[in-house]
Amino acid sequence: DTEVTQTPKHLVMGMTNKKSLKCEQHMGHRAMYWYKQKAKKPPELMFVYSYEKLSINESVPSRFSPECPNSSLLNLHLHALQPEDSALYLCASSQEWTSGNTGELFFGEGSRLTVL
Amino acid sequence: AQSVTQLDSQVPVFEEAPVELRCNYSSSVSVYLFWYVQYPNQGLQLLLKYLSGSTLVKGINGFEAEFNKSQTSFHLRKPSVHISDTAEYFCAVSDRRMGGNKLVFGAGTILRVKS
Repeated sequence: DTEVTQTPKHLVMGMTNKKSLKCEQHMGHRAMYWYKQKAKKPPELMFVYSYEKLSINESVPSRFSPECPNSSLLNLHLHALQPEDSALYLCASSQEWTSGNTGELFFGEGSRLTVL
Repeated sequence: AQSVTQLDSQVPVFEEAPVELRCNYSSSVSVYLFWYVQYPNQGLQLLLKYLSGSTLVKGINGFEAEFNKSQTSFHLRKPSVHISDTAEYFCAVSDRRMGGNKLVFGAGTILRVKS
């Protein structure tokens, strides 16, 4: 099983809503990532979790709140978003680099978010 | 900080023709290099990677890339493309000194294969 599964695939929300994006992997990876991809742009790193602890936060606004409940799950809680936050949100996982592994990122298909 | 430049935003090519997608990165010191492909409305899939060793790297779907340290380049090539290769291709770099977790992507190159 080499899949990273993201739900929902599509989400439409108003600026006052609270919603969550979910990501799950069963490859035994200990690093998990959230990327944001705007249309016709490359993915931009938001957060990295390593062994369920937040290791990188790329100065993301607090209206995005990540959570890693266990080694297989990664959530992104959304609250009071703006229309410019509309994008494809990609989750990825990898083996932990420090163990000498290649660290190849495996991506999910993404959750397409529209903020009205 | 590492940066990646993909020199062509779009590359049109006829089916069965060869193609090269260009990628340059900012430093040749302690980097890992990757090419990912993204089909419409999908996530990213790894095509190939350079970690160390042989400078010619072979990947999936008949793609290969060559690491050139002196020119800080990692160009992607395929000798004969198919319609199904139409997609966006991203070159990416990570810095070994930073633990490798932080992958920086280039702006992407859209490959359009015409019949």
